[in-house]
Amino acid sequence: KAGVTQTPRYLIKTRGQQVTLSCSPISGHRSVSWYQQTPGQGLQFLFEYFSETQRNKGNFPGRFSGRQFSNSRSEMNVSTLELGDSALYLCASSLGLAKWETQYFGPGTRLLVL
Amino acid sequence: KQEVTQIPAALSVPEGENLVLNCSFTDSAIYNLQWFRQDPGKGLTSLLLIQSSQREQTSGRLNASLDKSSGRSTLYIAASQPGDSATYLCAAPQGGSEKLVFGKGTKLTVNP
Repeated sequence: KAGVTQTPRYLIKTRGQQVTLSCSPISGHRSVSWYQQTPGQGLQFLFEYFSETQRNKGNFPGRFSGRQFSNSRSEMNVSTLELGDSALYLCASSLGLAKWETQYFGPGTRLLVL
Repeated sequence: KQEVTQIPAALSVPEGENLVLNCSFTDSAIYNLQWFRQDPGKGLTSLLLIQSSQREQTSGRLNASLDKSSGRSTLYIAASQPGDSATYLCAAPQGGSEKLVFGKGTKLTVNP
């Protein structure tokens, strides 16, 4: 069974631009969560989607948005990029049906904002 | 609000040593706790998930315990190997949601 895949793996953008990251969950998984990882703040939850609906949201500004498609693939968009948005963005998938499920993470997209 | 703390932040041991990594959480009303491993520049690999009804979970040389009443979990690694060198993260859910709150991790170095 293929794992969680994320594209692209690396991105370099400049301040003010916008970026879209993609995540394909494990086949059959309907929940996709996004996390931002920085050296200073560690791993922080962005949002979670289940069956095309945002089910949970973290404490990030509105510049961070996401969506999920009918095939459970998810995209995350960051508009008006700031230097502080440089981070490793990780997505995780699970079946999303029960509270005790393991979440499986992808390799991440490393974003550098210049 | 869930807060997760991991001690120590870094640990260096000789190969073959048994070791314990610690994780504490503030909201004990959790339904599970998960331990992950992260290699430099890579994503997270799930190691063990302990459900709230369990006290321990084992996988190979790894054993994780969970004590909800004290808000603590430990990850025991037996007979450590250089390949175990990585950052180990524990994560507990926020309230009853899917949102995971992570500790800052313990960076483990196993010296040959």
